[in-house]
Amino acid sequence: QQQVKQSPQSLIVQKGGISIINCAYENTAFDYFPWYQQFPGKGPALLIAIRPDVSEKKEGRFTISFNKSAKQFSLHIMDSQPGDSATYFCAARSPRTGANNLFFGTGTRLTVIP
Amino acid sequence: GAGVSQTPSNKVTEKGKYVELRCDPISGHTALYWYRQSLGQGPEFLIYFQGTGAADDSGLPNDRFFAVRPEGSVSTLKIQRTERGDSAVYLCASSLMPADAQFFGPGTRLTVL
Repeated sequence: QQQVKQSPQSLIVQKGGISIINCAYENTAFDYFPWYQQFPGKGPALLIAIRPDVSEKKEGRFTISFNKSAKQFSLHIMDSQPGDSATYFCAARSPRTGANNLFFGTGTRLTVIP
Repeated sequence: GAGVSQTPSNKVTEKGKYVELRCDPISGHTALYWYRQSLGQGPEFLIYFQGTGAADDSGLPNDRFFAVRPEGSVSTLKIQRTERGDSAVYLCASSLMPADAQFFGPGTRLTVL
């Protein structure tokens, strides 16, 4: 069973536009929600992360919006650039004692058209 | 090095063979994780080490998979009697402390023929 559901599977955005990727979860015990960016042949790179006591976090062109009651969170990439073309993964962590593993979504392949 | 390193970057083996994959975490990081990523999917958790001990191995798919971290730094993932279904990218991540952000290495692409 997929612990974190991610959509869309793929996304095409014009340069300068806003890219929005959405994730949903069921486990209310999750306490940490990171987003990772992955280029082909590379490992995932941490982009930005949020904890559930905050509704929004912004770092440069990247913003996470978090809706605790709806159990949803999203990544917004403002002024999208061709260099942002990559696969993006949302993830969530359960604070279960002795465990710190992340549950990942299935990924969104973003293509930014010049 | 500054980041997590993994060797080899690619490994091709035959069905039934034994393989070892190595991970060098970021210096000083106490927690180390192994994940497996199949084509078109997100990483899936395999095992987590805090220091030298495996704190959580609930993600290991079966007893053909085993991992060690004898000195609390470098870790080796060992796969016995490899099967074609084991083909994937094996990712290693580390964090300074267990609840901190996880930083991933470039992965080892394992192909079982």
